[in-house]
Amino acid sequence: DGGITQSPKYLFRKEGQNVTLSCEQNLNHDAMYWYRQDPGQGLRLIYYSQIVNDFQKGDIAEGYSVSREKKESFPLTVTSAQKNPTAFYLCASKDGRNSNQPQHFGDGTRLSIL
Amino acid sequence: GQQLNQSPQSMFIQEGEDVSMNCTSSSIFNTWLWYKQEPGEGPVLLIALYKAGELTSNGRLTAQFGITRKDSFLNISASIPSDVGIYFCAGQLYNTNAGKSTFGDGTTLTVKP
Repeated sequence: DGGITQSPKYLFRKEGQNVTLSCEQNLNHDAMYWYRQDPGQGLRLIYYSQIVNDFQKGDIAEGYSVSREKKESFPLTVTSAQKNPTAFYLCASKDGRNSNQPQHFGDGTRLSIL
Repeated sequence: GQQLNQSPQSMFIQEGEDVSMNCTSSSIFNTWLWYKQEPGEGPVLLIALYKAGELTSNGRLTAQFGITRKDSFLNISASIPSDVGIYFCAGQLYNTNAGKSTFGDGTTLTVKP
């Protein structure tokens, strides 16, 4: 099945710890995105990548880092510098870097503080 | 930057009623998208609109791309309990803005049986 796979579904972070959220897509999409969603709120863009080995900061990049070493993978690291990491994290991908195609989403990872 | 105003923020309706929600923008888009998100899951694309004035249906859902390119609405007819969720609009201006989407804050729909 073609799609976007996020793992794990639930993740817990201890104080001072970095954690990495996985996002894999087999849709052969060029562009990939990470969003943060807080309860009752919309989607805020963390980072995005239009092509392998390139990525750009979104609106709320502080305390996060990403890499794009392979087309199908766009992992997000939540660093200890992110003081309020508890949220629902969504990964999306899109066919064509600047196309009018819609983004398609994974099923999310819920991150909580221990 | 571009902002979308989505309204209403929430709706509580009786099963069988029709629903209408809309998004407005201060700037134009050339693609409008409507998504539905259920609890604990990612948003799922419902309808994509690519031309000003376009009216598109998907079952009981109908969406329109406003003629000014600054707004869009989504209607749900004869609502059923499984329509419950958060509905997001998104605008895109392709070939600019790095292909990013601008999302509304969502309309939370509750359907009472």
